[in-house]
Amino acid sequence: DAGVIQSPRHEVTEMGQEVTLRCKPISGHNSLFWYRQTMMRGLELLIYFNNNVPIDDSGMPEDRFSAKMPNASFSTLKIQPSEPRDSAVYFCASSFASHPVYNEQFFGPGTRLTVL
Amino acid sequence: DQQVKQNSPSLSVQEGRISILNCDYTNSMFDYFLWYKKYPAEGPTFLISISSIKDKNEDGRFTVFLNKSAKHLSLHIVPSQPGDSAVYFCAASGEAAGNKLTFGGGTRVLVKP
Repeated sequence: DAGVIQSPRHEVTEMGQEVTLRCKPISGHNSLFWYRQTMMRGLELLIYFNNNVPIDDSGMPEDRFSAKMPNASFSTLKIQPSEPRDSAVYFCASSFASHPVYNEQFFGPGTRLTVL
Repeated sequence: DQQVKQNSPSLSVQEGRISILNCDYTNSMFDYFLWYKKYPAEGPTFLISISSIKDKNEDGRFTVFLNKSAKHLSLHIVPSQPGDSAVYFCAASGEAAGNKLTFGGGTRVLVKP
């Protein structure tokens, strides 16, 4: 298996531009997570989906952030408009969740976003 | 409010010696704990986990200890190897949290040859 795939790996954009990050989870996994890592806040969960349905988006910073999962093999995280404080590494992770068993999450390589 | 804390941001240890990483949590509803390892420019990878019904779980050179009364867990790496140099994250979850993991801030480990 190729693991969790994220694109692009690096993104440099100017303030005010729209940014779209993409994620392909591991085939067969039914949960997908978007995280953001910064020096100040560490690794924080933004949103997660179960069976393509958003379950908890309480970590999404503000309305400029949105996430979709149109099918089991694809998800996007969009920032519009982007701001310099959005600069961070964004990780996507997936897992197979079978309540009440907690299974490990498999992380993608991340997208390093720089907003100038 | 940090529910999972790793109070040591960094740790330096000699090759062959033991590395001990600590993690504290505040939410008594957490009942499953994981350690992840992260190399630069890569995503975190799962290392080892422990359920609250146990107090120890061992996998090769890695052992995780859980002290529920103290809300404390630790990761022991014995013997430490240069390839273990990475950032280690502690994470916690619980039935009430579903599959949601809460991560600590990470501890950077440097193993010197």
